[in-house]
Amino acid sequence: EADIYQTPRYLVIGTGKKITLECSQTMGHDKMYWYQQDPGMELHLIHYSYGVNSTEKGDLSSESTVSRIRTEHFPLTLESARPSHTSQYLCASGWAGQNIQYFGAGTRLSVL
Amino acid sequence: SQQGEEDPQALSIQEGENATMNCSYKTSINNLQWYRQNSGRGLVHLILIRSNEREKHSGRLRVTLDTSKKSSSLLITASRAADTASYFCATDGRGQGAQKLVFGQGTRLTINP
Repeated sequence: EADIYQTPRYLVIGTGKKITLECSQTMGHDKMYWYQQDPGMELHLIHYSYGVNSTEKGDLSSESTVSRIRTEHFPLTLESARPSHTSQYLCASGWAGQNIQYFGAGTRLSVL
Repeated sequence: SQQGEEDPQALSIQEGENATMNCSYKTSINNLQWYRQNSGRGLVHLILIRSNEREKHSGRLRVTLDTSKKSSSLLITASRAADTASYFCATDGRGQGAQKLVFGQGTRLTINP
């Protein structure tokens, strides 16, 4: 198992709430990623970062935002959650110049 | 899009049998990877094969790559119940700086005891 942690593992919230999904890695990886995955489906990249103060939007449009103030931390925020945000969110990290990604266990979000 | 497509979408076999999964992609790549995902968990990297390689082995895993057909296969020999999981191929794209991966839809493998 890689040293990358996501909290919470499960989250059930009401519509309109602001939430932050946490992702931390202790490997000193430069690159970090957020993916959205519906059950039994492929992963969609929603945000990525190549280092501190670097963030980019991914291939799937998302209403979430991210920040990268510290190398080890890459939180994802939803200002106003909606039922359409219900999904699993996976965080990953990797070394610069290498393509292998190490994944956290994921956060399963349900918005009622 | 160079999204990979995996075949079959689901595979169910008896323990001890071999399992073969296929992946096709659309554009030129630097390398191709296979990942495993247990139900409700994150992905775990299994093996990476570079575009100039044709075959690679790791334990009970054998991966082939045919860049002329833009396809790869993952063979798991002597399957075990613990191999039950979803398997995804992932490709990077030349010209993207090898920074991002595009994942296929996955093959759900069930090993029956």
